[in-house]
Amino acid sequence: EVQLVESGGGLVQPGRSLRLSCAASGFAFSSFGMSWVRQAPGKGLEWVSTISETGDTTYYAVSVKGRFTISRDNSNKTVYLQLNNLSAEDTAVYYCANVRGAVHYFFYYMHVWGKGTTVTVSS
Amino acid sequence: QSVLTQPPSVSGAPGQRVTISCTGSSSNIGANYDVHWYQQLPGTAPKLLIYGNNNRPSGVPDRFSGSKSGASASLAINGLQAEDEADYYCQSSDSSLSAVVFGGGTKLIVL
Repeated sequence: EVQLVESGGGLVQPGRSLRLSCAASGFAFSSFGMSWVRQAPGKGLEWVSTISETGDTTYYAVSVKGRFTISRDNSNKTVYLQLNNLSAEDTAVYYCANVRGAVHYFFYYMHVWGKGTTVTVSS
Repeated sequence: QSVLTQPPSVSGAPGQRVTISCTGSSSNIGANYDVHWYQQLPGTAPKLLIYGNNNRPSGVPDRFSGSKSGASASLAINGLQAEDEADYYCQSSDSSLSAVVFGGGTKLIVL
């Protein structure tokens, strides 16, 4: 069974940093791209970032580019999201998902989602 | 303001058929990017419902179907059931933004 378990969320002050992790199991992790999607309280889904199977290519939403960094460790089947210079607008549940399709051409969808980890940015 | 436009809510009685529209533009759905749909039950994570415009993952009932035409797509739900009450999101990609884009979501209310 495919499982994705996010961790690392919490309460953080504006301007500070946080690193989210997503541990994967039940599928050939190194063969699939991985994405992060977030959902602010009471709002819709917002794509945040995607990383290719090998980790050599990364993509970001304009709203997080330059502040967030996605990475992966295929030996430990884990994908990370480093969140820097956080603001209140980054408050959300962050979901990781494995990707099916061609990451490099943006022809893909989120196949299985984790339960999410909550990030709250407040002083 | 989402790149893909969905109605905020739709409703229907049990047993009825409802459709949810997803309207894009020439840089996303109209640029031949596929449309995918997700169901988010209250308090849970999203779940893939339809991929590649009209394909159902295993385990998704055939009451759910998707279609795409031009720069728009639709999700149809036949034989509405109480457990279908959820938020539904369409997703595609946008060549101008070089990004994955979601619709704003549609709340389905089963009367």
